[in-house]
Amino acid sequence: NAGVTQTPKFQVLKTGQSMTLQCAQDMNHEYMSWYRQDPGMGLRLIHYSVGAGITDQGEVPNGYNVSRSTTEDFPLRLLSAAPSQTSVYFCASFSDLPGLAGAYEQYFGPGTRLTVT
Amino acid sequence: GQQLNQSPQSMFIQEGEDVSMNCTSSSIFNTWLWYKQEPGEGPVLLIALYKAGELTSNGRLTAQFGITRKDSFLNISASIPSDVGIYFCAGTHTGTASKLTFGTGTRLQVTL
Repeated sequence: NAGVTQTPKFQVLKTGQSMTLQCAQDMNHEYMSWYRQDPGMGLRLIHYSVGAGITDQGEVPNGYNVSRSTTEDFPLRLLSAAPSQTSVYFCASFSDLPGLAGAYEQYFGPGTRLTVT
Repeated sequence: GQQLNQSPQSMFIQEGEDVSMNCTSSSIFNTWLWYKQEPGEGPVLLIALYKAGELTSNGRLTAQFGITRKDSFLNISASIPSDVGIYFCAGTHTGTASKLTFGTGTRLQVTL
């Protein structure tokens, strides 16, 4: 989890409330992503960014907004929380794929465990 | 959305045994990645594979990019208790890792 921080670590929301999950990286990576992980499933992509000012939707974007005003920060906003958004949320920061040479870097944050009642 | 088929779902092995797990897809990937996740933490990247047939090692871990580009394999030799965790495969169709598709995970338990 080197270099990627997420806050808060735990959060309980009531249905309809909004909140922002924070993610920051200090490795100067251009690429960042948000995933959610539900029991018995792998990670599913919510939104991603290929650089400051550029974001796009992943597999499960509904109910979430993102922005990327700086290289370091990539917050995820829940607009109106629903019980279906109860999950563990992971932010990732990574370099570009190197192709046949070089090293690929990718780091996940420690996660935010969100419960919506 | 698509998720990769990963097997087995779980494994209970004794310390010292070798472990094999695999991941299959209905479509071609041009990059395969393998991760380990421990309780309460995010996944940690173990191995990245970039071309069909590639075999890459990281200590006691060896992973292979299948020649059909629709599968990948991870082997762990001489397992130890700290190998316990969930192992995930992931792949991408595109030239970047922005859009990864993850497998459902293999839970590994190691007994003494």
